[in-house]
Amino acid sequence: DSGVTQTPKHLITATGQRVTLRCSPRSGDLSVYWYQQSLDQGLQFLIQYYNGEERAKGNILERFSAQQFPDLHSELNLSSLELGDSALYFCASSVDGVEQYFGPGTRLTVT
Amino acid sequence: DQQVKQNSPSLSVQEGRISILNCDYTNSMFDYFLWYKKYPAEGPTFLISISSIKDKNEDGRFTVFLNKSAKHLSLHIVPSQPGDSAVYFCAASAPQGGSEKLVFGKGTKLTVNP
Repeated sequence: DSGVTQTPKHLITATGQRVTLRCSPRSGDLSVYWYQQSLDQGLQFLIQYYNGEERAKGNILERFSAQQFPDLHSELNLSSLELGDSALYFCASSVDGVEQYFGPGTRLTVT
Repeated sequence: DQQVKQNSPSLSVQEGRISILNCDYTNSMFDYFLWYKKYPAEGPTFLISISSIKDKNEDGRFTVFLNKSAKHLSLHIVPSQPGDSAVYFCAASAPQGGSEKLVFGKGTKLTVNP
């Protein structure tokens, strides 16, 4: 158990819909990272927040957005969903920015 | 443009023998390297890391070697156990504007046979 929690574990939704994925970092970790793992792909960095502020963006689509709240939990919002957005979404947290600890992931299926 | 490459999608070894997983990178700005293990339906689990100022780091049965001139690192598992069967990801980090995002390889599936 990494100490990072993610909800929900599974999500099935239709194209065009909007979903919100939630992540609670390990106690004391200020950084939260979001990654996407599609079929046959490695983990792709989406976005990082540090203590409520956006710190870095990766290959995140404009239809996707995220935020980190004062209690340090983070939410990833995915809108206008397409079939290709079906993937595993992982959240990770870190205290020192290098060794990142991952949650169990949310499996999103868009039908 | 894949900056971190794991060229072997799979590796099979016998229990008790050494497992060697390889990783190559192209970005010379990477200064920290990590290995993660992933079981199905779980998130990646941090295994071991190495800073670019070192060439070896050891933790129990796991040793990571870094060859900066060749832009190559490897993970050695000795002795291999059936519970080590998982997908192993190599990752690298280059500090950019205060961010330490990880760049991952596509993984190598290790099977340790009893």
